[in-house]
Amino acid sequence: SAVISQKPSRDICQRGTSLTIQCQVDSQVTMMFWYRQQPGQSLTLIATANQGSEATYESGFVIDKFPISRPNLTFSTLTVSNMSPEDSSIYLCSVALGTGFTGELFFGEGSRLTVL
Amino acid sequence: GQSLEQPSEVTAVEGAIVQINCTYQTSGFYGLSWYQQHDGGAPTFLSYNALDGLEETGRFSSFLSRSDSYGYLLLQELQMKDSASYFCAVRARSGSARQLTFGSGTQLTVLP
Repeated sequence: SAVISQKPSRDICQRGTSLTIQCQVDSQVTMMFWYRQQPGQSLTLIATANQGSEATYESGFVIDKFPISRPNLTFSTLTVSNMSPEDSSIYLCSVALGTGFTGELFFGEGSRLTVL
Repeated sequence: GQSLEQPSEVTAVEGAIVQINCTYQTSGFYGLSWYQQHDGGAPTFLSYNALDGLEETGRFSSFLSRSDSYGYLLLQELQMKDSASYFCAVRARSGSARQLTFGSGTQLTVLP
């Protein structure tokens, strides 16, 4: 299994500001995923963070708005830039372990952002 | 792209059996996962089906029919702690090897 720590767990932010969310994993992983989940809604994939290369963004998400860093195999950051109330959401970091894939992702507890 | 459909809410009583269905549309299907999420908590993995049939893990079972693009999660001997949201998720060829697309979730309420 994997233990994933996210910081901050929650924050209240002002419109127009930016916030960086950190994700620390207790083991080395190839790919890390950033998801967004609005209250009571599904999980939507923002991007896949690859170590040593640019993140791969899903449709509707762009690097200027959600820049991602992946400096090593255990850490990643997601920045939510120029925030608006529509960015109020839970942001989740997740990883898959091993070389195969059994359909299992491990998730952090999430970072709940409220934008005023 | 991928799309998944599951009921938004299910209610059952303690000790009962409940089935949560999931139908999906995707190209290049690899497998179907199920996740549980309690309010304010992280999603946790329950099961994964890559082949047709039933997979059993304790009180929880998951079924897949690839020909029908359909699966379900079966929860037996319901307990109050099973009250949570349940998400089905597909792994599809169009994404990265470990990328999942999640359904909208089913809120399960277990009544005493």
